Amino acid sequence: DAGVIQSPRHEVTEMGQEVTLRCKPISGHDYLFWYRQTMMRGLELLIYFNNNVPIDDSGMPEDRFSAKMPNASFSTLKIQPSEPRDSAVYFCASSLRPWGESEAFFGQGTRLTVV
Amino acid sequence: AQSVTQLGSHVSVSEGALVLLRCNYSSSVPPYLFWYVQYPNQGLQLLLKYTSAATLVKGINGFEAEFKKSETSFHLTKPSAHMSDAAEYFCAVSTGFQKLVFGTGTRLLVSP
Repeated sequence: DAGVIQSPRHEVTEMGQEVTLRCKPISGHDYLFWYRQTMMRGLELLIYFNNNVPIDDSGMPEDRFSAKMPNASFSTLKIQPSEPRDSAVYFCASSLRPWGESEAFFGQGTRLTVV
Repeated sequence: AQSVTQLGSHVSVSEGALVLLRCNYSSSVPPYLFWYVQYPNQGLQLLLKYTSAATLVKGINGFEAEFKKSETSFHLTKPSAHMSDAAEYFCAVSTGFQKLVFGTGTRLLVSP
């Protein structure tokens, strides 16, 4: 397996624009996680899915953020409208089981810059 | 709720020297503990994890960590640093049924 694949690797957008980040988890993994990494706040869990169903989105910062998982091999994180404070690295991760029962594999991340 | 504290945002060592990265945790129930490494422009990679088996856990690339319940610590060590070890290291805790909580990270700098 090629691992968790995220696209794009880098995204630069203007404030107010819609941004969509994409993730392909490892085949067979039932859990998918979206994290955000910033210097100020470190790594934060935004939302996670189990079998394509969102389980906990309490980490999503605002209504401007939304995530979907239409099938087992694809997930998106959308920000609309984007703001400069959304600039961060966004990671997707997947695992067989949650919370350390099995290893979580991370993608390489999407570095988002909102100007 | 569980939490981890990593002491020192930066640690500098010389090549060949001992690496010691500190992590203390807080958890009301027996925890799962992890160390992840992040190389520049990469995602996180699991180095090792503790899940209530042996207290001394060996990981990849020669790293190991010891779970000390009395000290609520899970420090990461490597006997001899290599230039390729330069990266950011994250300690994380979970109770197995609650989300992983990451520390703020420690950047390891290795000088020749």
